Amino acid sequence: LAKTTQPISMDSYEGQEVNITCSHNNIATNDYITWYQQFPSQGPRFIIQGYKTKVTNEVASLFIPADRKSSTLSLPRVSLSDTAVYYCLVGDPLTGGGNKLTFGTGTQLKVEL
Amino acid sequence: NAGVTQTPKFQVLKTGQSMTLQCAQDMNHEYMSWYRQDPGMGLRLIHYSVGAGITDQGEVPNGYNVSRSTTEDFPLRLLSAAPSQTSVYFCASQGSNYGYTFGSGTRLTVV
Repeated sequence: LAKTTQPISMDSYEGQEVNITCSHNNIATNDYITWYQQFPSQGPRFIIQGYKTKVTNEVASLFIPADRKSSTLSLPRVSLSDTAVYYCLVGDPLTGGGNKLTFGTGTQLKVEL
Repeated sequence: NAGVTQTPKFQVLKTGQSMTLQCAQDMNHEYMSWYRQDPGMGLRLIHYSVGAGITDQGEVPNGYNVSRSTTEDFPLRLLSAAPSQTSVYFCASQGSNYGYTFGSGTRLTVV
């Protein structure tokens, strides 16, 4: 399974755009990149998933360069409620890798006024 | 549609006691997993299942047993609780959209 590296913490202010980058140098051909958000005392919540280029939904955008060795989660105009831990995961959802996703320590995002 | 339901939400055990953490999902997902999360740490995979009757070990399986007799249920059993098993336990299921759905967790304290 591809190992991921992401910053331990980030600080931002309300209204700013936040970009969290994840490195995954050993990503395999069939691997997808998935991001989760976790609030204290809650289970992680799926945010976005992608394979290549750009994916956008109502919550975030995910940018994946051509070599797929990294990815960037972009949160537009963050608010205090976006304060959470964000996890980047890499795996093949159609094989065992999809069911053995390993969560690292994630990135603690703190948004202030 | 309840998603993933975990019971109980809180539990205190004495060392050596046994108990079962329940997990049920109503989304007809084939894949289910159990994770534990310790303070300030990410989630670590305990056991997982790719379908009814099929289970396998994750990263930290020692001290835990699982079974999958139905698609809906995936209980986690602690045979002889130890203080090192004090943690928050999360159950998750995965559907065809590749994303995991997590339960709200069980906070377990072993004294």
